[in-house]
Amino acid sequence: QQQVKQSPQSLIVQKGGISIINCAYENTAFDYFPWYQQFPGKGPALLIAIRPDVSEKKEGRFTISFNKSAKQFSLHIMDSQPGDSATYFCAADRAGANNLFFGTGTRLTVIP
Amino acid sequence: DGGITQSPKYLFRKEGQNVTLSCEQNLNHDAMYWYRQDPGQGLRLIYYSQIVNDFQKGDIAEGYSVSREKKESFPLTVTSAQKNPTAFYLCASRTLAGTEAFFGQGTRLTVV
Repeated sequence: QQQVKQSPQSLIVQKGGISIINCAYENTAFDYFPWYQQFPGKGPALLIAIRPDVSEKKEGRFTISFNKSAKQFSLHIMDSQPGDSATYFCAADRAGANNLFFGTGTRLTVIP
Repeated sequence: DGGITQSPKYLFRKEGQNVTLSCEQNLNHDAMYWYRQDPGQGLRLIYYSQIVNDFQKGDIAEGYSVSREKKESFPLTVTSAQKNPTAFYLCASRTLAGTEAFFGQGTRLTVV
């Protein structure tokens, strides 16, 4: 059973455009929602994260929007650049859990 | 520099062989994890450990084994019982109370 559902599986965006990746979860005990960025042949690295007590968090061109009632959260990449081309994973975690639950990933391609 | 080191980067296995993937961290993290990554399936948990000499099965433990004799080290053995071992393997670690997981660079295992 997939604890975190992520869409789309792949995304192509023009340089300068907005990239949007969506995730949904079921377990209301989750209290930490990170996004990881992974370049080909490398391990994922934390990009940005949010807790459910806020509805939005922004770090540079990257923004997480969080809708607690809908149990959904999304990553927005403003002014997308070719260097943003990577695979993005959303995840969910809860205090005392043994594991981060990852989405299936979104492969983003930003074309010049 | 603190971090997680996985070795080797590439590994080739013959049918019927056991192979061991190395994971070492100098972050003083208690929790360590092994994930398997396949295209379109995200990161699936194989094993995790929260303390020396103790580890737990994840979602896809069959055909794999681990040990945790030292805090810094969490090697993964892919046994001949694993019928489809070709994949990208990722090791991660974090503190017990922490949220961010730190990943190694991965090992790509191919059966030849």
